Amino acid sequence: AQSVAQPEDQVNVAEGNPLTVKCTYSVSGNPYLFWYVQYPNRGLQFLLKYITGDNLVKGSYGFEAEFNKSQTSFHLKKPSALVSDSALYFCAVRDPDGQNFVFGPGTRLSVLP
Amino acid sequence: DARVTQTPRHKVTEMGQEVTMRCQPILGHNTVFWYRQTMMQGLELLAYFRNRAPLDDSGMPKDRFSAEMPDATLATLKIQPSEPRDSAVYFCASGSGQGSSYEQYFGPGTRLTVT
Repeated sequence: AQSVAQPEDQVNVAEGNPLTVKCTYSVSGNPYLFWYVQYPNRGLQFLLKYITGDNLVKGSYGFEAEFNKSQTSFHLKKPSALVSDSALYFCAVRDPDGQNFVFGPGTRLSVLP
Repeated sequence: DARVTQTPRHKVTEMGQEVTMRCQPILGHNTVFWYRQTMMQGLELLAYFRNRAPLDDSGMPKDRFSAEMPDATLATLKIQPSEPRDSAVYFCASGSGQGSSYEQYFGPGTRLTVT
């Protein structure tokens, strides 16, 4: 069965500093991995995905994520955080043979001015 | 700018009443998902459709919830009768289901409060 863990409920970072939001997964076979962001009172927005190829994936709003197969991780990163990045971030995984997505519990990112 | 739309955005109802939530997926998307989001449970998959056919509704309480796609431009989620524990934000998402690598596009959600 597929599963996703986001070990941190909350991440605080100062504006201008690099940020990392962690995600680990469990899936049989090669995973498809996704990051979504949710701003208050809004639906989830797609940020980026890893399907195959280069382990470093670049996405929207300056975010990137690194796929690490040996550590079964897909951490979200940004070199310089903005206050406007404050939101709820979800990691999701899909088994290529499966039908649906499994979302992690979410990590609340707070960027402090 | 193609978007998933959901109506109503907010719904307050009394326990025992029927609730119907509607979703218009992005034109051309053939896969539709219904999710429920609460503080306690996070994001839960309720049901999803491909080419209007239900593929999985194992996440739904079958005795009171039902999901349908009357046509390719409309998906509905009904709760009858509603209960206070159904209070949540319900999201619809659509995707272009080519293989399994597609991302989902979420609507703004329907915030349901059952008193």
